[in-house]
Amino acid sequence: QQQVKQSPQSLIVQKGGISIINCAYENTAFDYFPWYQQFPGKGPALLIAIRPDVSEKKEGRFTISFNKSAKQFSLHIMDSQPGDSATYFCAANTYNTDKLIFGTGTRLQVFP
Amino acid sequence: SQTIHQWPATLVQPVGSPLSLECTVEGTSNPNLYWYRQAAGRGLQLLFYSVGIGQISSEVPQNLSASRPQDRQFILSSKKLLLSDSGFYLCAWSKSKGMNTEAFFGQGTRLTVV
Repeated sequence: QQQVKQSPQSLIVQKGGISIINCAYENTAFDYFPWYQQFPGKGPALLIAIRPDVSEKKEGRFTISFNKSAKQFSLHIMDSQPGDSATYFCAANTYNTDKLIFGTGTRLQVFP
Repeated sequence: SQTIHQWPATLVQPVGSPLSLECTVEGTSNPNLYWYRQAAGRGLQLLFYSVGIGQISSEVPQNLSASRPQDRQFILSSKKLLLSDSGFYLCAWSKSKGMNTEAFFGQGTRLTVV
């Protein structure tokens, strides 16, 4: 119940296309859903996050869509660029715990 | 501003040797501290987390241990490394009272056990 399932494992997108990464969870107590971006050889860094009281959050080319009833959330990268090539992790936690549970990651490659 | 330091960046150790990875945080007090492991092509596995000095929670049974001798210092150790301990180890911190805020990761340590 503590798992966050992420798909796909890898994704290849052409420059200018839309990249979509999906995550699903079981624990209805989760109330914070961040996405992290990791470049090779580096630690992950927070990209964008959402709370379940909203269905969508947009920051530049990055959008999180959240479906509370389906217990699913997704990251959309519009106008994907080669510089977006990285591994993306979804995550979840509850306010009263000290643990951030990560998905298994999606390796995104954007080709020019 | 807050910074997190993790070292060494890379490490090659023989099977059966001891391990000590250190992580320190500057610019904040009483942070939550975390050790994650990232195996090749896999996700981030939470190994240990700490909400205060001497307070360590272990997430998975394994060959590793963690200690927090000071408020902003977190150490990952092993007495005898196994081949399966190879991976990318990441230290992270967040503000106390839950991780419902940004988690900041170090640059990681690439450990290869040979």
